[in-house]
Amino acid sequence: AQSVTQPDIHITVSEGASLELRCNYSYGATPYLFWYVQSPGQGLQLLLKYFSGDTLVQGIKGFEAEFKRSQSSFNLRKPSVHWSDAAEYFCAVGNNDMRFGAGTRLTVKP
Amino acid sequence: KAGVTQTPRYLIKTRGQQVTLSCSPISGHRSVSWYQQTPGQGLQFLFEYFSETQRNKGNFPGRFSGRQFSNSRSEMNVSTLELGDSALYLCASSLAQGAGANVLTFGAGSRLTVL
Repeated sequence: AQSVTQPDIHITVSEGASLELRCNYSYGATPYLFWYVQSPGQGLQLLLKYFSGDTLVQGIKGFEAEFKRSQSSFNLRKPSVHWSDAAEYFCAVGNNDMRFGAGTRLTVKP
Repeated sequence: KAGVTQTPRYLIKTRGQQVTLSCSPISGHRSVSWYQQTPGQGLQFLFEYFSETQRNKGNFPGRFSGRQFSNSRSEMNVSTLELGDSALYLCASSLAQGAGANVLTFGAGSRLTVL
């Protein structure tokens, strides 16, 4: 069965610092992997996706993620965090029935 | 182009009542998926509709149902509401069903409170 684990429930970083959010997945075949961001009271916005090919994918808002099959991971990174990045981040895997991780809430300190 | 539109945005019901939520997908999108989001359970898949047919279903009781119309608009219904049904219900649309096509675009959600 497919599943997603986001080990960090809450992360706090200073503005301008780098960020890495972890995601591990379990999937029977080649996974389709996604990162979404959700601001309070809003729906989810797609940051980036991996279907195949280059394992380093670029997304919107300066985010990138790297697919590592050997580690079953798809970690999200950003070199310099902005205060507006404070939100909840969800990793997801799947195709027709997407499975989401529990989310990581990001707080940005000034 | 307009995004995914969900109505109503907020509603309050009492136990035992029923509720119908509506979702209008992005123009041209034929697949609509529904998710329930709660603080305790996170995002859980309810069901997916494509071409007016339910193609996939999550692990929810039969009180949760849905349908899709010929214009791809979708509704979900929850009957005999329970306190635990209080949640944010998210609708997402995509161009098609199947491999490589299922990039979901989400609506802002319908916040249901059951008293």
